[in-house]
Amino acid sequence: GQQVMQIPQYQHVQEGEDFTTYCNSSTTLSNIQWYKQRPGGHPVFLIQLVKSGEVKKQKRLTFQFGEAKKNSSLHITATQTTDVGTYFCSRMDSSYKLIFGSGTRLLVRP
Amino acid sequence: NAGVMQNPRHLVRRRGQEARLRCSPMKGHSHVYWYRQLPEEGLKFMVYLQKENIIDESGMPKERFSAEFPKEGPSILRIQQVVRGDSAAYFCASSPPQSPLHFGNGTRLTVT
Repeated sequence: GQQVMQIPQYQHVQEGEDFTTYCNSSTTLSNIQWYKQRPGGHPVFLIQLVKSGEVKKQKRLTFQFGEAKKNSSLHITATQTTDVGTYFCSRMDSSYKLIFGSGTRLLVRP
Repeated sequence: NAGVMQNPRHLVRRRGQEARLRCSPMKGHSHVYWYRQLPEEGLKFMVYLQKENIIDESGMPKERFSAEFPKEGPSILRIQQVVRGDSAAYFCASSPPQSPLHFGNGTRLTVT
């Protein structure tokens, strides 16, 4: 099946700086879901985007779904040490299973 | 409402032994998924099940691995004759149909 490509693989920021991770697909996506996994933890659902051009916000997190529904981004404003973890985008395929991107690992220097 | 329960949390097996990983989905969830995660890597889909049915097992290795979700009891991921390369974190997730996934805490399998 088609994969979702996620960049960057790693991002190391100073606390207070912004952070963005990008997810790209070669095919149109029906929806995209974002998950966060803390070090040593399990993935936790953050949000689902369905509509073309959709933008959703959760406090300092902003999620976007591209107009062509082939890409998505997660932006964190003014990172905090609690934001540390790996952020995964994922797509649901035709058999309704979730395929995950490779993830972006965020490290925050205090 | 208890979350997805996985046990054991940690499992150590010698090469050639069998590993059995258990997952109890959240109450009311009819769909169970198993994913494997190697250290510092992403989540690789293994298998997707509903009660008594395997819906998609395209991510399961052809040999030694099997999964079930019986009418009664937890879902089981079974690995026979484990090898060192099977060492990984195995996550179970459950959901209602076509909904976001709720993950368990995972089972960390170490093969010595």
